Amino acid sequence: NAGVTQTPKFRILKIGQSMTLQCTQDMNHNYMYWYRQDPGMGLKLIYYSVGAGITDKGEVPNGYNVSRSTTEDFPLRLELAAPSQTSVYFCAAGGTGGELFFGEGSRLTVL
Amino acid sequence: DAKTTQPPSMDCAEGRAANLPCNHSTISGNEYVYWYRQIHSQGPQYIIHGLKNNETNEMASLIITEDRKSSTLILPHATLRDTAVYYCIVRGGGTSYGKLTFGQGTILTVHP
Repeated sequence: NAGVTQTPKFRILKIGQSMTLQCTQDMNHNYMYWYRQDPGMGLKLIYYSVGAGITDKGEVPNGYNVSRSTTEDFPLRLELAAPSQTSVYFCAAGGTGGELFFGEGSRLTVL
Repeated sequence: DAKTTQPPSMDCAEGRAANLPCNHSTISGNEYVYWYRQIHSQGPQYIIHGLKNNETNEMASLIITEDRKSSTLILPHATLRDTAVYYCIVRGGGTSYGKLTFGQGTILTVHP
C-alpha cells in the first residue's frame, strides 16, 4: 500500500518554465490537498479538492492550477515559474474521518 | 476558520510527559481540533483529533477544556524521537470541512 505518491522528488526550473507536480493516492480518499512549505515556515494551503471534479483555492493559490479528474490523481501545475515558488511541496489525501496522509514532498528550486 | 495560538517552542526531558497547549478561543460548535507533527523535513503525521470530549490513542492524549477555547496535547513519556514541530489545527464543519490550514506550530525539543 503506497499511500500518497509524489513525483518528482526534486526539480530545478528556470524562471518562466512550466511544470506539473504529480500526486497519486491509492486509498480511495475523497479529500486531497497541496501545501507548500518555505524554509523554517509552516505549511501553506495552495489548493484542495473534496472529490473528483471539485477543487477550491486555499491560502496561496496564485501562480498555480489544479485539476481533479479522478479520485486518485491531483496534479499541481506551475505555469510560469518564479523564484518565489522555490519551496517544498506536499500533497495529502484524507477521508471523512479526518486523518490526512502526506506524501514525501517535492523539492522545487526556481533559478 | 478559527485561528489557533501555540507557543513557538518548548523543551521536555526524555521520559517525562510533554504537554503542548493550544488556544482556539474563536472555535465554533461544529469545529474539530486536530493535532499533527512534522519531524525534520518529512510530511506531517496525524496524531489525534477531537470535538469536545477528551481523546486518547496509542500516540497521545487530547484534553479539550469544557468551553472548548483551548486544548492540550499530552505525550505521556516523551522520547528523543518525539522532537518535532507540533501543529494544532481547527477544522471547520459542514461545507468548510475540506479546508485544512496549518499555523506555525510549536517546536518541541526532547533532551536526554
